[in-house]
Amino acid sequence: ELKVEQNPLFLSMQEGKNYTIYCNYSTTSDRLYWYRQDPGKSLESLFVLLSNGAVKQEGRLMASLDTKARLSTLHITAAVHDLSATYFCAVVNNDYKLSFGAGTTVTVRA
Amino acid sequence: EAGVAQSPRYKIIEKRQSVAFWCNPISGHATLYWYQQILGQGPKLLIQFQNNGVVDDSQLPKDRFSAERLKGVDSTLKIQPAKLEDSAVYLCASSLNEKLFFGSGTQLSVL
Repeated sequence: ELKVEQNPLFLSMQEGKNYTIYCNYSTTSDRLYWYRQDPGKSLESLFVLLSNGAVKQEGRLMASLDTKARLSTLHITAAVHDLSATYFCAVVNNDYKLSFGAGTTVTVRA
Repeated sequence: EAGVAQSPRYKIIEKRQSVAFWCNPISGHATLYWYQQILGQGPKLLIQFQNNGVVDDSQLPKDRFSAERLKGVDSTLKIQPAKLEDSAVYLCASSLNEKLFFGSGTQLSVL
């Protein structure tokens, strides 16, 4: 069974500083997603990473994938308040089943 | 482009009652998913359809949950009878190729 682990589960960020969220998974996969969820809202797709070494950037967020290490990172540059949300990574297994991590709840403080 | 539509938005029922949720995926999306998201956790896949066929329902509690996707478009998820632990947000998602789009979910409270 594919297991997806995120850390940290909670992250208090100071505005203007840089932080990283880690996503480890247990079995081979060639597709990883990052989602954002605001309280009471649905999941918003941030990135789809499809190959080893893939790197994608959007604004202050950058995601990367190392399929050999079974690791993805979501890097936040110069945090701002509107990045406060819960971030999920999700991984597709060989049966095309998408498994989610527990989420990282981010709070950005002044 | 219209997104994934779900209804109702909220539902409150008593335990042992029945409830049904409806999902209309994005037009042309062959794959449809139902996820259960318990407060503070990541979404858990309940069932996956490809057109109107079931691809994966290994985590669906089949003694009380059922789902169908008529004509490969709309889908309904039913719980009968509901238990307290079924309180969660039920998310529907659809996909074409590698990108998944989620609906706004149905928040179920079982009292």
